[in-house]
Amino acid sequence: SAVISQKPSRDICQRGTSLTIQCQVDSQVTMMFWYRQQPGQSLTLIATANQGSEATYESGFVIDKFPISRPNLTFSTLTVSNMSPEDSSIYLCSVVGGTDTQYFGPGTRLTVL
Amino acid sequence: GEDVEQSLFLSVREGDSSVINCTYTDSSSTYLYWYKQEPGAGLQLLTYIFSNMDMKQDQRLTVLLNKKDKHLSLRIADTQTGDSAIYFCAESRGYSSASKIIFGSGTRLSIRP
Repeated sequence: SAVISQKPSRDICQRGTSLTIQCQVDSQVTMMFWYRQQPGQSLTLIATANQGSEATYESGFVIDKFPISRPNLTFSTLTVSNMSPEDSSIYLCSVVGGTDTQYFGPGTRLTVL
Repeated sequence: GEDVEQSLFLSVREGDSSVINCTYTDSSSTYLYWYKQEPGAGLQLLTYIFSNMDMKQDQRLTVLLNKKDKHLSLRIADTQTGDSAIYFCAESRGYSSASKIIFGSGTRLSIRP
């Protein structure tokens, strides 16, 4: 399985600011995804991060709010822009590993005051 | 629709078997997964099953799939305190696990002595 790290592991931010979350994988992967897990909820896919092109966003998520970068096959960032308390969640990246299954990073726990 | 449903809570005695159930609605699901999330941690892929299989066993874990009824279950034999976690059922469509994953709400498994 792929080893995935995320930075930061947690953060507390003020309303109106932005936070960029990094996802690093120890091997080259084609598919990377960003998920959100709101408190006490299940996971919801935000977008698919495509290398060399714009991310593909799911319904209810827009690029202006969640810009994503994917500069190479081992790294991606998700920015949560103009944050509000409703953005308080765990943000997880995932990749498709060698066994063709999705593996998840440890998550970034975000609290917006 | 894209629905994956599971009960929210399950309590079992240590040493007994735990059975976590899940139903899904999309008959075109190709992969079905069980993920484990321990408190404050990310998601760990426990096991997965292809839709053309009925059963998969991996040490203490047994996955049963009834495709006709769209019912998936996870049995944990000899449940231990370390099995306390939230267990997410998930499914994806398409021809690889790179497809979008739909998660259930998660079942919180608690172990009593």
